[in-house]
Amino acid sequence: DGGITQSPKYLFRKEGQNVTLSCEQNLNHDAMYWYRQDPGQGLRLIYYSQIVNDFQKGDIAEGYSVSREKKESFPLTVTSAQKNPTAFYLCASSQDYRGGYNEQFFGPGTRLTVL
Amino acid sequence: GQSLEQPSEVTAVEGAIVQINCTYQTSGFYGLSWYQQHDGGAPTFLSYNALDGLEETGRFSSFLSRSDSYGYLLLQELQMKDSASYFCAVPTSGNTPLVFGKGTRLSVIA
Repeated sequence: DGGITQSPKYLFRKEGQNVTLSCEQNLNHDAMYWYRQDPGQGLRLIYYSQIVNDFQKGDIAEGYSVSREKKESFPLTVTSAQKNPTAFYLCASSQDYRGGYNEQFFGPGTRLTVL
Repeated sequence: GQSLEQPSEVTAVEGAIVQINCTYQTSGFYGLSWYQQHDGGAPTFLSYNALDGLEETGRFSSFLSRSDSYGYLLLQELQMKDSASYFCAVPTSGNTPLVFGKGTRLSVIA
């Protein structure tokens, strides 16, 4: 079955530690995205990537970093510079982000809690 | 910039019809999408409108009026499993990803 996997589902870290969230897709999609979701809030874009070795900042990129070394993988690192990292993190992909029709497929999410 | 407005909460009775509205402000328009998200789950795509009018997919329909910068999601024959959050979303331009509204939490009651 094609889809997007994120691991782990729950993650706990101490304040001041960097942590990397995994996102893998086998849909052969070109574009991948990272969103952050806080309680009662919509999805806010952190970073996105259209193609391998290229990525763009979203609305809330400060304190985060990404890489896109393979088409299938788009890991997100939450650094110690992120002031309030506790949140639900969602990874998504789409065939192509250009144009109007760009259905996004989401992974199950990782709930990060920083203690 | 771009912004989307939708009600934060809606409650409806099982078997009834409910409409969730969305108004948007964008510098250009490339279509309006709707996504459903159950608590703790991943958002899933419901519908997309690029042109004015009503698109029907089973119990769900989505409407768009580009002149009014307005759309809505219509859910008919509500079931308990429809209790979820519903997000409208737009691309900000032809070369950028989706911007999501804050979501409408739908509660279906018996």
